[in-house]
Amino acid sequence: NAGVTQTPKFQVLKTGQSMTLQCAQDMNHEYMSWYRQDPGMGLRLIHYSVGAGITDQGEVPNGYNVSRSTTEDFPLRLLSAAPSQTSVYFCASSGGGGDPRTIYFGEGSWLTVV
Amino acid sequence: GENVEQHPSTLSVQEGDSAVIKCTYSDSASNYFPWYKQELGKRPQLIIDIRSNVGEKKDQRIAVTLNKTAKHFSLHITETQPEDSAVYFCAASKPAGYSTLTFGKGTMLLVSP
Repeated sequence: NAGVTQTPKFQVLKTGQSMTLQCAQDMNHEYMSWYRQDPGMGLRLIHYSVGAGITDQGEVPNGYNVSRSTTEDFPLRLLSAAPSQTSVYFCASSGGGGDPRTIYFGEGSWLTVV
Repeated sequence: GENVEQHPSTLSVQEGDSAVIKCTYSDSASNYFPWYKQELGKRPQLIIDIRSNVGEKKDQRIAVTLNKTAKHFSLHITETQPEDSAVYFCAASKPAGYSTLTFGKGTMLLVSP
């Protein structure tokens, strides 16, 4: 049982490049979300999904796209990376019969945009 | 929307002392308050949570208290140990089905031997 798996763990991008952060969970959780963590800013919600085919914006959605074609996967796409997107990104999931507000985080993806 | 304020931003204690981290929230509809611990370079992990139908919850050396009237909740760690050193985040959420968490900005706890 791997839990929430994120790839890659580290990535360096040039300004304007695109990339996808992958997230998969094997806990049969309905709910998945992406957060970014910046020094002194806590964890801020980017996008979330309450089930396959359903996504919604969080607090800081600009510059990011998501899709949820399966229950297990919730990729985060950066279409044209900017230095302001340098951050640590955490995918999270919840549900599976438990309180959906009790979320479980992946190990994080460290992204640097130069 | 919900706003969660967390204090202090940094807390230094000696091993064996108690540590208290406080959070306030703005939305009186919030009724779920988890606390996460994040060690350096690791993921945040849930350590304790409380729902608005109780005023206090304990788990060994960790306790959380909730004052709904004042809209604040606190994390208490007794007999601190060096391995308690980490960043602690509080959060608040409205009633389920699914409601997103709003996090505080975190408290870095340093426990000196």
